[in-house]
Amino acid sequence: KQEVTQIPAALSVPEGENLVLNCSFTDSAIYNLQWFRQDPGKGLTSLLLIQSSQREQTSGRLNASLDKSSGRSTLYIAASQPGDSATYLCAVPPGGFQKLVFGTGTRLLVSP
Amino acid sequence: DGGITQSPKYLFRKEGQNVTLSCEQNLNHDAMYWYRQDPGQGLRLIYYSQIVNDFQKGDIAEGYSVSREKKESFPLTVTSAQKNPTAFYLCASTRRLAGEAGELFFGEGSRLTVL
Repeated sequence: KQEVTQIPAALSVPEGENLVLNCSFTDSAIYNLQWFRQDPGKGLTSLLLIQSSQREQTSGRLNASLDKSSGRSTLYIAASQPGDSATYLCAVPPGGFQKLVFGTGTRLLVSP
Repeated sequence: DGGITQSPKYLFRKEGQNVTLSCEQNLNHDAMYWYRQDPGQGLRLIYYSQIVNDFQKGDIAEGYSVSREKKESFPLTVTSAQKNPTAFYLCASTRRLAGEAGELFFGEGSRLTVL
């Protein structure tokens, strides 16, 4: 059974710092890995989708990497801003059609 | 604008009542999903549907029911049999891709409170 773990559970940084969020999964037979952002009381917003054949994806200040063999993905946020404050979740489909298994997320707070 | 619309955003229910949460998408996606989110527990899959008139139970289907009569719509009914229905409910959808898994998109959620 696929299990997804995110560390740290919470992170507080001053504005301008570069930071890394971690996501680990137990079964490396995945189709892809998706990173989401969730603001309080809102739905999830897709940030990046990395297919299993890819090693990384970039969107603006965000860069996500994927290492299937070690069961890890990282989300790198460059030059963090207060508007980046949110909960970040990673999710993987456990070998089937998009029955995503989610991590419990990392709550990020960026202080001005 | 294409997207997923969930309604109502907030819903209050008395014990013993059934309630239906609406989910509509205009993304032309084949697959639709319902998730439940509770504090500290992450997202859990309730039901999913890959095509019209077909749906499968997820990990926590007891006390819930769904229908998929139209491609665009996937309503979720929370029945009185659901023992702890107070939660945040999220609807999602994706395209079906042969041999791959597509990007998942979410609605804004519906918060159900049982009084």
